[in-house]
Amino acid sequence: SQQGEEDPQALSIQEGENATMNCSYKTSINNLQWYRQNSGRGLVHLILIRSNEREKHSGRLRVTLDTSKKSSSLLITASRAADTASYFCATARNSGNTPLVFGKGTRLSVIA
Amino acid sequence: EAQVTQNPRYLITVTGKKLTVTCSQNMNHEYMSWYRQDPGLGLRQIYYSMNVEATDKGDVPEGYKVSRKEKRNFPLILESPSPNQTSLYFCASSLLTGRNSPLHFGNGTRLTVT
Repeated sequence: SQQGEEDPQALSIQEGENATMNCSYKTSINNLQWYRQNSGRGLVHLILIRSNEREKHSGRLRVTLDTSKKSSSLLITASRAADTASYFCATARNSGNTPLVFGKGTRLSVIA
Repeated sequence: EAQVTQNPRYLITVTGKKLTVTCSQNMNHEYMSWYRQDPGLGLRQIYYSMNVEATDKGDVPEGYKVSRKEKRNFPLILESPSPNQTSLYFCASSLLTGRNSPLHFGNGTRLTVT
């Protein structure tokens, strides 16, 4: 069952611009993770943010988490053509030992 | 190199012919999982395993079997494949249960059932 939903479904920007992707979820979470997938390849983990954290950075990536709005955003600054990929959020529910649930992803195209 | 290895990368088969997709990880991870990815449906979990001899159903387990006899291996078995199992399959592993630590994914197996 889907928990996180990314928005927009697709995003096209010029190289050098910033890209922002959003993720909304429905139930309370333990943590939220972002992954990248290059076409047809396996997903690669980018960042994990815990429910008691509000912001996290990794290189050109900035992730925010607003648990009151049940939403997260992934910002990629100064985008490059190599950032072209699909980006997925995945949530770990707060209750029980249920596994991660992935959203359907945002397809980002960075045009050189 | 730390990795999750799936084989084969591509597989074309016919309805009803049993097949196995292998998955192996060399990171001593406790948790392993299988997903299928379909256009418009995203990534859906088939089965997962918290540890050796412990497997549980995910969201779409029908038509699949798994086993976890050794920590490093988690094969996916399709006893009688059908065309609706045509999909891109991913194996993943993590140190702890997948909810609390990052998942490491294999490169995928593209299965076509005719």
